Amino acid sequence: DGGITQSPKYLFRKEGQNVTLSCEQNLNHDAMYWYRQDPGQGLRLIYYSQIVNDFQKGDIAEGYSVSREKKESFPLTVTSAQKNPTAFYLCASSMRQDEKLFFGSGTQLSVL
Amino acid sequence: AQRVTQPEKLLSVFKGAPVELKCNYSYSGSPELFWYVQYSRQRLQLLLRHISRESIKGFTADLNKGETSFHLKKPFAQEEDSAMYYCALRSGNTGKLIFGQGTTLQVKP
Repeated sequence: DGGITQSPKYLFRKEGQNVTLSCEQNLNHDAMYWYRQDPGQGLRLIYYSQIVNDFQKGDIAEGYSVSREKKESFPLTVTSAQKNPTAFYLCASSMRQDEKLFFGSGTQLSVL
Repeated sequence: AQRVTQPEKLLSVFKGAPVELKCNYSYSGSPELFWYVQYSRQRLQLLLRHISRESIKGFTADLNKGETSFHLKKPFAQEEDSAMYYCALRSGNTGKLIFGQGTTLQVKP
């Protein structure tokens, strides 16, 4: 069953803690993206990667980090520097940067 | 600056009424525009893109460069159209896809 999988579905972060959100795809897509979804603000781009071992900052990259060591995987780390991490995080992928995006089901991150 | 604006957070119409979800953009080059939709308990998915000039589920959207708009229209709304709709713009230089704030469409019986 091909698709894009995000885990976990729910995640809780303690003060000062780094947490990592997983995003895996078996669609053989080159490009992968991380968006943050807040009520009333739509989707805002955090990071994106057009090819393995390369990634670019989006509009709200501060307090986040990513890696793209494998084509299938694009994990997002929410660091302690991100002061307002509570949000719904969406991962997406596309065959090339000009193709339509396929989205994961999302991870809800909350702060304890 | 590249920006997508959807001025309405919520649009509520009765079944059978026409629908227009507004989208305005700012972009200096030739934009590529999309509408994505998220139905209840489903993933966000592509509805249509302007270069295809297609009609999906009765929805159409025309790019108006003069007014920098890409409004989504349907002549007769159905209850199953109730969803969150996002307008998006792709930057030709970077490949970034920028989304608007989203509009919730509520179609009442």
